[in-house]
Amino acid sequence: AQSVSQHNHHVILSEAASLELGCNYSYGGTVNLFWYVQYPGQHLQLLLKYFSGDPLVKGIKGFEAEFIKSKFSFNLRKPSVQWSDTAEYFCAVNALTGGGNKLTFGTGTQLKVEL
Amino acid sequence: AAGVIQSPRHLIKEKRETATLKCYPIPRHDTVYWYQQGPGQDPQFLISFYEKMQSDKGSIPDRFSAQQFSDYHSELNMSSLELGDSALYFCASSQRHLSVWGANTEAFFGQGTRLTVV
Repeated sequence: AQSVSQHNHHVILSEAASLELGCNYSYGGTVNLFWYVQYPGQHLQLLLKYFSGDPLVKGIKGFEAEFIKSKFSFNLRKPSVQWSDTAEYFCAVNALTGGGNKLTFGTGTQLKVEL
Repeated sequence: AAGVIQSPRHLIKEKRETATLKCYPIPRHDTVYWYQQGPGQDPQFLISFYEKMQSDKGSIPDRFSAQQFSDYHSELNMSSLELGDSALYFCASSQRHLSVWGANTEAFFGQGTRLTVV
């Protein structure tokens, strides 16, 4: 069964700082990878996704992520964060073979951006 | 654009009562997923349906049941509610099964139903 690890549970940054959130998954086969954001009191919104092709994917609001297959990683990055990026970020994986019809989420990273 | 609609948005129930949560997927989406998110926790997969048939099952208690109807909406029925069932319940939908090769399917989430059991 697939699983997802997010190593940073809480991150505090100042505005304009760079962001990198780690995500590792455990699954030997082909996967689809996602990052979702959850603003306080709101639902999960898709930030970006990786299906195949270029391992560097760009999403909304200036976020990007890089899929490194050899490291089973899909880290999220943003060069310069804003106060409005304060939210919880979830990495999710869907295994294409034997993974079932579901997304498996990591434990989430709570990001706080200070002015 | 139409999104995933969940009702009710908030629900307060007493212990041992029953609750029914509804989910209306995006038009032309044939797959529905249910997740439970406790306070400060990640979303836990409960169950999914594809073309009105159960397609995967996660950590859904036996007290809970769900189904997908002919119009593709889904209902999550929860009986003998316990205090620990208090959580945010998300529904998501996608156009086709997530694990279809090459389908490049993504799931869209609803606003959630916040269930409080007192």
